[in-house]
Amino acid sequence: DQQVKQNSPSLSVQEGRISILNCDYTNSMFDYFLWYKKYPAEGPTFLISISSIKDKNEDGRFTVFLNKSAKHLSLHIVPSQPGDSAVYFCAASPSGNTPLVFGKGTRLSVIA
Amino acid sequence: IAGITQAPTSQILAAGRRMTLRCTQDMRHNAMYWYRQDLGLGLRLIHYSNTAGTTGKGEVPDGYSVSRANTDDFPLTLASAVPSQTSVYFCASSVLGGGGHNEQFFGPGTRLTVL
Repeated sequence: DQQVKQNSPSLSVQEGRISILNCDYTNSMFDYFLWYKKYPAEGPTFLISISSIKDKNEDGRFTVFLNKSAKHLSLHIVPSQPGDSAVYFCAASPSGNTPLVFGKGTRLSVIA
Repeated sequence: IAGITQAPTSQILAAGRRMTLRCTQDMRHNAMYWYRQDLGLGLRLIHYSNTAGTTGKGEVPDGYSVSRANTDDFPLTLASAVPSQTSVYFCASSVLGGGGHNEQFFGPGTRLTVL
C-alpha cells in the first residue's frame, strides 16, 4: 500500500502563474516531509522540506504547506519559470532508522 | 567536489549475467541507499545501509544484493540479471540514516538495459 501518494502524474502551467503540486500520506508517524526535483538524465536534488511541527515553510519562489489533519502537503511555485519544468517527488520521513518514503512523482511542464 | 559517483553511466547486459553497479561518496555520510526509477512507479528503494557494516532491505530487494565494507562504497550486485531489472538506478547518501530532516544526496544514475 502506498504511504505517500502523488495523484497527479503531470501538470502543465503557464510561465508566471502558480504551480501547485500535491502530496497525500497515510502514515501519521511521518514527522518530516521533503520535496525533490529531478531533471532528465540527472539524479534528484533536494528542494525544500517541512517539519511536522510547522504548517508552512518558504524558500524564495517555493513554499510548502502541511495540513496534518488532512495528511496532505503541497508545494507552491510562484511565479513558475520554464526552468522549473522537471519531475517533483514528495518524500516523507518515518521515525527511527527507516529510510525516506517517496511518492511516484509529478511531471511539471511550465509553458512559456 | 565529487559528492556521489556512480559507474557505469549506462550498460547493456545479457540476461543471466552478473553485474555490479558501483557507488562511491566522498562526503563521509553514514547512510547510503539504492533506488530504481521506472516510468510511472517513481523511486523505489532496493537496499539501504545506515552505517558501514550494516544493510537493510527496501521495497524491492529481490534479485539484488549489497555490501557496505566501508563508509564510502556501496556496490549493488545483480547476481543473474533479468529483463525486468531494466531501469535507471540511483545511489544516494545522507549524513544519518532514518528519520528527521534527513536530506539524501543522489548520484547521477546508471541506466541498465537487460536483454
